[in-house]
Amino acid sequence: EAQVTQNPRYLITVTGKKLTVTCSQNMNHEYMSWYRQDPGLGLRQIYYSMNVEVTDKGDVPEGYKVSRKEKRNFPLILESPSPNQTSLYFCASSPRLRGNTEAFFGQGTRLTVV
Amino acid sequence: QKEVEQDPGPLSVPEGAIVSLNCTYSNSAFQYFMWYRQYSRKGPELLMYTYSSGNKEDGRFTAQVDKSSKYISLFIRDSQPSDSATYLCAMSGVLTGGGNKLTFGTGTQLKVEL
Repeated sequence: EAQVTQNPRYLITVTGKKLTVTCSQNMNHEYMSWYRQDPGLGLRQIYYSMNVEVTDKGDVPEGYKVSRKEKRNFPLILESPSPNQTSLYFCASSPRLRGNTEAFFGQGTRLTVV
Repeated sequence: QKEVEQDPGPLSVPEGAIVSLNCTYSNSAFQYFMWYRQYSRKGPELLMYTYSSGNKEDGRFTAQVDKSSKYISLFIRDSQPSDSATYLCAMSGVLTGGGNKLTFGTGTQLKVEL
């Protein structure tokens, strides 16, 4: 089954404790991205990756890091989480076709930073 | 001003009603227009996709794009309780080097009641 898998689904952590949210896709997609979803603000892109070892900032990259060492994996790293990073996070992947629009989303990770 | 504006609702309609969901946008570079459906506690999934202006129909769903007015719509005919979800409009511009970036509306929450 074609899917994007995120882990964990739910996470409560304390301010300053480094954490990683994993994302893996089995569709051989080149393009992957991370979004956060907040009430009233919708989905906002954090980082994206066009291919292995190619990453770039989205609209709200502050406080986040990513890496793309393998095509299928795109982890999101919070080096020193803060309460304003409490949010619902989604990983998405899509084929690297010009104008391609179908992004496949993971199930989401609900993060609470206390 | 946000690039994409969407009425957040919530919108409550009786079963069988025709539903109209809308978004406006300001960026003339957007070429691809999509509607995603998001059920509670799930990731968004692509519902409809339209390129440039015009209509597209898929079963009970019709997507319309009016680029001259920078306005897109999704119509749901014979609405069902299973249509209860949040509907997100999204628009795509082309990134330098290929690929695409999705810009989302904040979503409209729809409830179809028996």
